[in-house]
Amino acid sequence: AQSVTQLGSHVSVSEGALVLLRCNYSSSVPPYLFWYVQYPNQGLQLLLKYTTGATLVKGINGFEAEFKKSETSFHLTKPSAHMSDAAEYFCAVSEKAGTALIFGKGTTLSVSS
Amino acid sequence: KAGVTQTPRYLIKTRGQQVTLSCSPISGHRSVSWYQQTPGQGLQFLFEYFSETQRNKGNFPGRFSGRQFSNSRSEMNVSTLELGDSALYLCASSLDGKEISPLHFGNGTRLTVT
Repeated sequence: AQSVTQLGSHVSVSEGALVLLRCNYSSSVPPYLFWYVQYPNQGLQLLLKYTTGATLVKGINGFEAEFKKSETSFHLTKPSAHMSDAAEYFCAVSEKAGTALIFGKGTTLSVSS
Repeated sequence: KAGVTQTPRYLIKTRGQQVTLSCSPISGHRSVSWYQQTPGQGLQFLFEYFSETQRNKGNFPGRFSGRQFSNSRSEMNVSTLELGDSALYLCASSLDGKEISPLHFGNGTRLTVT
């Protein structure tokens, strides 16, 4: 069965610092991987996705993630944090088209000035 | 293009009652999925509809049901409400199931059961 583990329920960084949010997955087949962001009182917004091809995926708002099959990881990074990045981030996996997304528990990112 | 619209935004119900939540997908999207979000369990998949047919179902009791109309709009119904049903219910739409297409989420309906 698929599962997603997000290491660290809460990450705090200073404005301008590197953002690293960790995600590991388990899947019996090559997965489709996603990162979503949720701002307070809102739904989820897609940041980026990996389906096939290049393992380094660039998303919106300067975020990127790298699919590492050997490590079963899909960590999310951003070189320089901005106050507006404060939100909850969810990693999700799907094994094939038309199946449900399995979400991690989420990581809350706080950004201080 | 209008996004996914969920109504109402907030609901307060009493144990034992039933509730119906509504979701209008993005125009042209034929797949609608429903998720329950709680602080303890996180995001959990309820069910997915495609062309008026339930295609996938999560591990929720039969009190949770849904349907999709010919215009792709969807409703979900929860009967005999329990305190534990208090959650944010998120609807998401996508183009179709032929390949992985991203889910576009609405802002959710926050249900409080007292």
